[in-house]
Amino acid sequence: EDQVTQSPEALRLQEGESSSLNCSYTVSGLRGLFWYRQDPGKGPEFLFTLYSAGEEKEKERLKATLTKKESFLHITAPKPEDSATYLCAVQVYGTSYGKLTFGQGTILTVHP
Amino acid sequence: NAGVTQTPKFQVLKTGQSMTLQCAQDMNHEYMSWYRQDPGMGLRLIHYSVGAGITDQGEVPNGYNVSRSTTEDFPLRLLSAAPSQTSVYFCASSLGRGGDSGNTIYFGEGSWLTVV
Repeated sequence: EDQVTQSPEALRLQEGESSSLNCSYTVSGLRGLFWYRQDPGKGPEFLFTLYSAGEEKEKERLKATLTKKESFLHITAPKPEDSATYLCAVQVYGTSYGKLTFGQGTILTVHP
Repeated sequence: NAGVTQTPKFQVLKTGQSMTLQCAQDMNHEYMSWYRQDPGMGLRLIHYSVGAGITDQGEVPNGYNVSRSTTEDFPLRLLSAAPSQTSVYFCASSLGRGGDSGNTIYFGEGSWLTVV
């Protein structure tokens, strides 16, 4: 069974205090690992897809990395507007492109 | 470009009532899916479709019905609502191909359903 575990469940940072969110996965064959941002009362907003170990992608203050067992979402010098829930999901070979298995998310709060 | 549009945004149902959550996308995406999001459970796949006329069950399909008569629309039907179906429902769509441009999965804004 495909499993995705995110840690920590919640993270509080001061503005400018860099940190990382973790996404550990156990799957039969990884086609892609997705990161989403979700604001309260909104749908998940796509951030990145990573496909192979060693791959990195960046967007503003966010950088996502991938190994064979986990992914990290690094947040550099965060701002209060980065506060959100960050979701990790995997897509597996041999299944539909429309199927994602999600972790439970990390709630990030950045204080000014 | 509207993306993925869900209606209604909020709904309260009585136990045993039926209703349909609507989902439409204007991106000519082949793949469409329905997820539910519950506290502590993450997003779980209910049903998905790989094209018009083709649907399949996800992780939590019981109590829900879907059909896909057009590429644009993928409605989710609750046949006899139960309190356990109180949740937030998200519709998603993608081209269903490899690579970043073909594999990005877009989500709607959600439908909040309460069953009393």
